[in-house]
Amino acid sequence: QKEVEQNSGPLSVPEGAIASLNCTYSDRGSQSFFWYRQYSGKSPELIMSIYSNGDKEDGRFTAQLNKASQYVSLLIRDSQPSDSATYLCAVNVQGGSEKLVFGKGTKLTVNP
Amino acid sequence: DTEVTQTPKHLVMGMTNKKSLKCEQHMGHRAMYWYKQKAKKPPELMFVYSYEKLSINESVPSRFSPECPNSSLLNLHLHALQPEDSALYLCASRSTGAYGYTFGSGTRLTVV
Repeated sequence: QKEVEQNSGPLSVPEGAIASLNCTYSDRGSQSFFWYRQYSGKSPELIMSIYSNGDKEDGRFTAQLNKASQYVSLLIRDSQPSDSATYLCAVNVQGGSEKLVFGKGTKLTVNP
Repeated sequence: DTEVTQTPKHLVMGMTNKKSLKCEQHMGHRAMYWYKQKAKKPPELMFVYSYEKLSINESVPSRFSPECPNSSLLNLHLHALQPEDSALYLCASRSTGAYGYTFGSGTRLTVV
């Protein structure tokens, strides 16, 4: 079982719609979770971090965490064409040294 | 200074060349990371340094040789690479005890 799994894309939504991205993880000891946005050829850019169960909102973005279900999601409201990118779910995996493990990513296209 | 700086941004090297990638941060972070990202794939962890000591080597071939000369600097020495090593190489740092990872803008490596 892969450590971090994301719902397979690509995902296409019309401008103004809500985009929903999902992720599950296998390490029950993980305490911190991240969503990165990556434009083609660029470095990943952190858009949301979440550490506690529940919702965390930042502008048009809402991250949701359910540790019991080992599930993380990202909602993007009022999607814009500039949101078109690959979204990477990442989990901080504990061990001897902590490391960030990424899911495969979901490519989102927002159509004008 | 809240950045991780990677140089060079682009590098083309032959299979017999020796080159080095450099990563620098002045945030006082004591954990530093090298990731490799192939096209349309998520970043994959290569090495972790914690307090200037190598703590994780994800079974990376010896043609990649990391070095952490001090708490601000991380190098990746490259020798006898193969064309399949062409990728985006990302450096990241993290403050121990905190959760957030800061990524550099990456070095786009092409092996010819």
